[in-house]
Amino acid sequence: QSVLTQPPSVSGAPGQRVTISCTGTSSGIGATYDVHWYQQLPGTAPKLLIYGNNRRPSGVPDRFSGSKSGTSASLAIAGLQAEDEGDYYCQSFDSRLIFVFGAGTKVTVL
Amino acid sequence: QVQLQESGPGLVKPSETLSLTCTVSGGSISRYYWSWIRQPAGKGLEWIGRIYSSGATNYKPSLRSRVTMSVDTSKNQFSLKLTSVTAADTAVYYCAREDGEQWLVDFWGQGTLVTVSS
Repeated sequence: QSVLTQPPSVSGAPGQRVTISCTGTSSGIGATYDVHWYQQLPGTAPKLLIYGNNRRPSGVPDRFSGSKSGTSASLAIAGLQAEDEGDYYCQSFDSRLIFVFGAGTKVTVL
Repeated sequence: QVQLQESGPGLVKPSETLSLTCTVSGGSISRYYWSWIRQPAGKGLEWIGRIYSSGATNYKPSLRSRVTMSVDTSKNQFSLKLTSVTAADTAVYYCAREDGEQWLVDFWGQGTLVTVSS
């Protein structure tokens, strides 16, 4: 089964750029499957942030960007703001369309 | 705008069955995939499974023996049953809509906390 590995936490000062990695196995995102990213602010349900590796849904600021290469994907947050504090999850799926989430990364604004 | 609302008991006894219903408003349940996702306190998201409006299902392998999902298109609702629960099943349970082309979650319910305790 595919496993997605994320760092437990990242932090940065306001205005800085942070990146979150999401590394998968060859049976998951190492194949042709896309990676999506969700933002979960404290006490709220997750919200789709990036889809199809690097596309932003309407309304998501362009400070958020995604990329994918081989078995790894990344989420970048440029110009970090206090309101970005929360948890970020990557998600992909396997050949049986079983969804897999990464364990999540807590973003702290210093 | 599609909205989802979970409902069901917030407390379930060990070994009993957890039952939740999700009511969809602002759109039809037909021709979409619907899923259940849970999150233990302070932990990450776990996908439980999905059901299509036709009733076809797909469950996480490790939970398959305990999970049943159903759909009632006349009520615009879908449901989750999880049998033989233990404390490890204590979590916030989200119902959600899946995009069946991109294979992502595009709408989430607000979540409901289910505690397994005697």
